[in-house]
Amino acid sequence: AQTVTQSQPEMSVQEAETVTLSCTYDTSENNYYLFWYKQPPSRQMILVIRQEAYKQQNATENRFSVNFQKAAKSFSLKISDSQLGDTAMYFCAFTGHNDMRFGAGTRLTVKP
Amino acid sequence: KAGVTQTPRYLIKTRGQQVTLSCSPISGHRSVSWYQQTPGQGLQFLFEYFSETQRNKGNFPGRFSGRQFSNSRSEMNVSTLELGDSALYLCASTPGQETDTQYFGPGTRLTVL
Repeated sequence: AQTVTQSQPEMSVQEAETVTLSCTYDTSENNYYLFWYKQPPSRQMILVIRQEAYKQQNATENRFSVNFQKAAKSFSLKISDSQLGDTAMYFCAFTGHNDMRFGAGTRLTVKP
Repeated sequence: KAGVTQTPRYLIKTRGQQVTLSCSPISGHRSVSWYQQTPGQGLQFLFEYFSETQRNKGNFPGRFSGRQFSNSRSEMNVSTLELGDSALYLCASTPGQETDTQYFGPGTRLTVL
């Protein structure tokens, strides 16, 4: 079974600093996709970043980047220069060729 | 393009009733997935519809059902509501590939009393 684990229920970071959110997953598939989604308080879930497993290069999107370690089945999200608007629940997600599986989420608070 | 829309946004029902939730995907998207989000269980996959056919199904009882229309709009029905069905129900649409990025709607907050 495919599972996604986020071991940090809550994290906080000072504005302008860097924070890393952890995610591990378990799968027997070789071709799959990984995502980080952000759900701000009372707002819609939106995609932060996406990584294709066949790509060795880590995905980056402005202040957001991932550290994808395929052998270790690890997919962490680094947020640089944290902003107050980054305060949200962050979900790591996995999809192979079936449904998308989500981790339990990490609640990130950016402090001024 | 307009985003994913869900109606109603809020709903209050009593145990034993049934409810129907609606989701309109982004124009051109043919796949709609439904999720249940609760504080205790997190995000759980209910089912996915593609071209009016259920393509994937999660591990929920038969009280949860869905359908998709020819215009890709989808409805989800829950019969014989239980207190534990109180949750935020999210739908997400994609163009059609199972590995596509999902675009989420704002959700329907269902409260069962």
